Amino acid sequence: DTEVTQTPKHLVMGMTNKKSLKCEQHMGHRAMYWYKQKAKKPPELMFVYSYEKLSINESVPSRFSPECPNSSLLNLHLHALQPEDSALYLCASSQVNGELFFGEGSRLTVL
Amino acid sequence: GQNIDQPTEMTATEGAIVQINCTYQTSGFNGLFWYQQHAGEAPTFLSYNVLDGLEEKGRFSSFLSRSKGYSYLLLKELQMKDSASYLCAVRNRGNNRLAFGKGNQVVVIP
Repeated sequence: DTEVTQTPKHLVMGMTNKKSLKCEQHMGHRAMYWYKQKAKKPPELMFVYSYEKLSINESVPSRFSPECPNSSLLNLHLHALQPEDSALYLCASSQVNGELFFGEGSRLTVL
Repeated sequence: GQNIDQPTEMTATEGAIVQINCTYQTSGFNGLFWYQQHAGEAPTFLSYNVLDGLEEKGRFSSFLSRSKGYSYLLLKELQMKDSASYLCAVRNRGNNRLAFGKGNQVVVIP
């Protein structure tokens, strides 16, 4: 299994809603990542988890809250988002020094 | 920190060879990756360089010079399906931080 699975594929939410994005991998990878990607731009790193511990937070606003319940799962909790947060959110996983495998992404629209 | 620079767009003919460059500055280099991303899809891994020199994988080759902070991706025998964005990404030593350059859009024409 070389897949990173993200759900939902599409999400529309209002600025007062609370929602979560989910990511799952079964490759035994111990590093997991959240990236944000706007149209025609490269992915921007948001968070990195290594061995289920948050190792990097790229000064992301607190309305984005990551969670790593176990080595296979990564969540991104969303609350009080702004329209400018609309983007494709990509999850990835890797061996600690290996290449990243990306999921298909969750396309988020904030109204 | 990291600073990664790539040119933005190029057009090439089917069957041709195209070279995409990437320059970087980083405080602790621990590998450079090349990814391909088709519109609306996730990035997919192409190649990885951590030592100086050329890595060849089929029609794609990647070169690294650590002293110059420079890498290139060479695409040979271009096919229409190679029309995509090509992203280089640099990993920092010690913290697993992988940051992407702006990407280079390659358009292959018949």
